[in-house]
Amino acid sequence: QKEVEQDPGPLSVPEGAIVSLNCTYSNSAFQYFMWYRQYSRKGPELLMYTYSSGNKEDGRFTAQVDKSSKYISLFIRDSQPSDSATYLCAMSRGGGSYIPTFGRGTSLIVHP
Amino acid sequence: DSGVTQTPKHLITATGQRVTLRCSPRSGDLSVYWYQQSLDQGLQFLIQYYNGEERAKGNILERFSAQQFPDLHSELNLSSLELGDSALYFCASSPPDGTFVSGNTIYFGEGSWLTVV
Repeated sequence: QKEVEQDPGPLSVPEGAIVSLNCTYSNSAFQYFMWYRQYSRKGPELLMYTYSSGNKEDGRFTAQVDKSSKYISLFIRDSQPSDSATYLCAMSRGGGSYIPTFGRGTSLIVHP
Repeated sequence: DSGVTQTPKHLITATGQRVTLRCSPRSGDLSVYWYQQSLDQGLQFLIQYYNGEERAKGNILERFSAQQFPDLHSELNLSSLELGDSALYFCASSPPDGTFVSGNTIYFGEGSWLTVV
């Protein structure tokens, strides 16, 4: 079993839909949870990060972490065609270990 | 633009050959990470250097090696290349220990696309 599981999709939604992207993990030592967005043939770019459990909102994006269930989510409201990309979750332990473990990424397609 | 620079962007080489990928981290960053991304394996951590010293090793093959130079740029050397080494190779960097301002985030370059034929 991989440490971080993420459905690769693709997930296809109409413009304006609410998108839910999810990851599960097995390592209870993870403290930092991140979402990266990767456009085709580009490097991943940080979208949001959360420390420990809870919610964080940034514009149309909301990140949720449920450590008790080892489950994290990214919600995108009012999705746009420009949101079409691969979304990778990542997580890491606290302390001196800063190497994130990445999920495989979910391909999202928002069609007009 | 993340500030991480990678060269070359694309390269095609034959099996058995050796290539070197180069990375310049963001200004002020001391850590450099190398990742391999393929369709079937996703983003795999290879190795990390911090201020010139190897800090952590992931799933890096013995045919691969890396180093970080005094000016903090890094090189990833891939030798005896096989068809299965075809992938996107990313370099990433992160700030000095204790200075993270956005969690344990790392910043990626645009990648080097390697095709082995």
